[in-house]
Amino acid sequence: QSALTQPPSASGSPGQSVTISCTGTSTDIGSYNYVSWYQQHPGKAPKLLIYEVSKRPSGVPDRFSGYKSGNTASLTVSGLQAEDEADYYCSSHAGSNNYLLFGGGTRLTVL
Amino acid sequence: QVQLQESGPGLVKPSETLSLTCTVSGGSIGTYYWSWIRQPPGKGLEWIGYIHYSGSSNYNPSLKSRVTISVDTSKNQFSLKLSSVTAADTATYYCAKMAGAAVAGTWGQGTLVTVSS
Repeated sequence: QSALTQPPSASGSPGQSVTISCTGTSTDIGSYNYVSWYQQHPGKAPKLLIYEVSKRPSGVPDRFSGYKSGNTASLTVSGLQAEDEADYYCSSHAGSNNYLLFGGGTRLTVL
Repeated sequence: QVQLQESGPGLVKPSETLSLTCTVSGGSIGTYYWSWIRQPPGKGLEWIGYIHYSGSSNYNPSLKSRVTISVDTSKNQFSLKLSSVTAADTATYYCAKMAGAAVAGTWGQGTLVTVSS
């Protein structure tokens, strides 16, 4: 099964908002509310930002929010800060045979 | 706070078997599901498979024929074996604790494995 589709890059100025999309199919994002988002800084392990479409783990700022409509999920980063510059990956459950799919990643640049 | 640490050879020869171990500290492996996820240099993430402490497992269909994940509850460890490796298997390998359905909640720092003769 193909990976989820994300734009390779996104950018915004400090204080602005930016939204990153993640497009799947009716057999993954469209079928399950198990979409997650991860943030990865260079040379570091990914960090969980959002799970079950829109829930934030303890310690994740509310500047990060998630949403899903149909086969597409999105991550919005509000009030951009320099430290938000990183790679962002979405993931989705895809059934018992292909449990976890990732997107190709989006590099967010803070201008 | 659970912490995970990957260990194993950083260099594996083509056609051989890649073997890695993840040691869990600060909590028991006897709950939750545990995954291996990899990332080729400069590329995205790929889920390899997961295991439950009971021994039940599930693998990425694209790797299923070459992957075995096992658990050793006495050592609080789980392991990955990937056979018949090629250069395409060169990646940073992460172990992760699954926090819920298809959610990798806690990650190890990752270990780079290079496949080369």
